[in-house]
Amino acid sequence: EAAVTQSPRNKVAVTGGKVTLSCNQTNNHNNMYWYRQDTGHGLRLIHYSYGAGSTEKGDIPDGYKASRPSQENFSLILELATPSQTSVYFCASGDAWGTGDYAEQFFGPGTRLTVL
Amino acid sequence: QQKVQQSPESLIVPEGAMTSLNCTFSDSASQYFAWYRQHSGKAPKALMSIFSNGEKEEGRFTIHLNKASLHFSLHIRDSQPSDSALYLCAESNSAGNKLTFGIGTRVLVRP
Repeated sequence: EAAVTQSPRNKVAVTGGKVTLSCNQTNNHNNMYWYRQDTGHGLRLIHYSYGAGSTEKGDIPDGYKASRPSQENFSLILELATPSQTSVYFCASGDAWGTGDYAEQFFGPGTRLTVL
Repeated sequence: QQKVQQSPESLIVPEGAMTSLNCTFSDSASQYFAWYRQHSGKAPKALMSIFSNGEKEEGRFTIHLNKASLHFSLHIRDSQPSDSALYLCAESNSAGNKLTFGIGTRVLVRP
């Protein structure tokens, strides 16, 4: 089964500080995703990537940057954290059509971020 | 407005009963529909998926898709307390590389 890990698992940050959330997957999936999950909003896509060196904006990219330095790693960067970015962040990986479990996404355990 | 809408928001069912969850979508070009299950404090995990109109059964779980009515559903037969979780429906874009999730239905199965 696909293995996706995230670090840190919990983070407390100060308003205006920089936060980097990291994600690693070991299944050689081309696509990786960053979501945030909030009560009343469900899972919302922030950024995604089709492979090393690529990043794409999702549905709510404002205030976030992403970096995909390698097939395995995908980071989410909050340059100037704000209290509204307090949330649970999930990373996921998957592949597109014709590559097995196409379209299925495998999620990491999540990072709980609190911005004070 | 949410592109993918789920109902009900929450549900309490007795152990052994049928649980029925609904999802409507707005993009008739969507090709892949899935249900994910998320236990409290855990990651979402894919439960079942369907590509074409009709029904698909896996164990106690059945998924129905009706593209004409923009509706798909999940039915859980003989519901167990371990089925208590947040259930998320999702539709894929035409390339199959991006999912849009609903807000979720919280299910509690009472022993």
